Amino acid sequence: QQQVKQSPQSLIVQKGGISIINCAYENTAFDYFPWYQQFPGKGPALLIAIRPDVSEKKEGRFTISFNKSAKQFSLHIMDSQPGDSATYFCAASLSYSGYSTLTFGKGTMLLVSP
Amino acid sequence: DADVTQTPRNRITKTGKRIMLECSQTKGHDRMYWYRQDPGLGLRLIYYSFDVKDINKGEISDGYSVSRQAQAKFSLSLESAIPNQTALYFCATSDNSDMDSPYEQYFGPGTRLTVT
Repeated sequence: QQQVKQSPQSLIVQKGGISIINCAYENTAFDYFPWYQQFPGKGPALLIAIRPDVSEKKEGRFTISFNKSAKQFSLHIMDSQPGDSATYFCAASLSYSGYSTLTFGKGTMLLVSP
Repeated sequence: DADVTQTPRNRITKTGKRIMLECSQTKGHDRMYWYRQDPGLGLRLIYYSFDVKDINKGEISDGYSVSRQAQAKFSLSLESAIPNQTALYFCATSDNSDMDSPYEQYFGPGTRLTVT
């Protein structure tokens, strides 16, 4: 049972272009939606996150768009750079009694060509 | 000075062997997690622990066990390794008292395990 569906699996974008990665979820109890970035040989690291009461969050070139009614959220990378080449994971957090766990999407390998 | 360390970083073992992967953290976090990463499958939660006396099964706990020896140490064991446990294993920590990012998890560098 895949609770967070991520697409595309891989993405090639030219330098300066916009990279867009999409995720969809089913469980309306999810209460926090982070994106993690992973470089080869490294562990994932938090990139940007959003709560479901906000429709958009921007940090530098990275923006999350959140559509609560459609149960979808996406990551937009503006002016994509070769250094952005990495694997990106969306995730959703489920909290209960003060505890929380993350459910990850399957990941998107992004390659930004020079 | 890594905050979350994993040992070993790489390990090759044979089917049927017992193996332990270790995780240590200096972040002072009370919550620790073990994930496995497989190509095309993302990160899947194996076990998690919210304090020393708390152990919980994740999505794919079968064939694995864990031990929380101290707040800073969380070990993952494969009692009898099998080839389909070949994967990249990550330990992570979190601190729910961080009000800015209450659900942020901090990952170690990973252990690449190969079972032949």
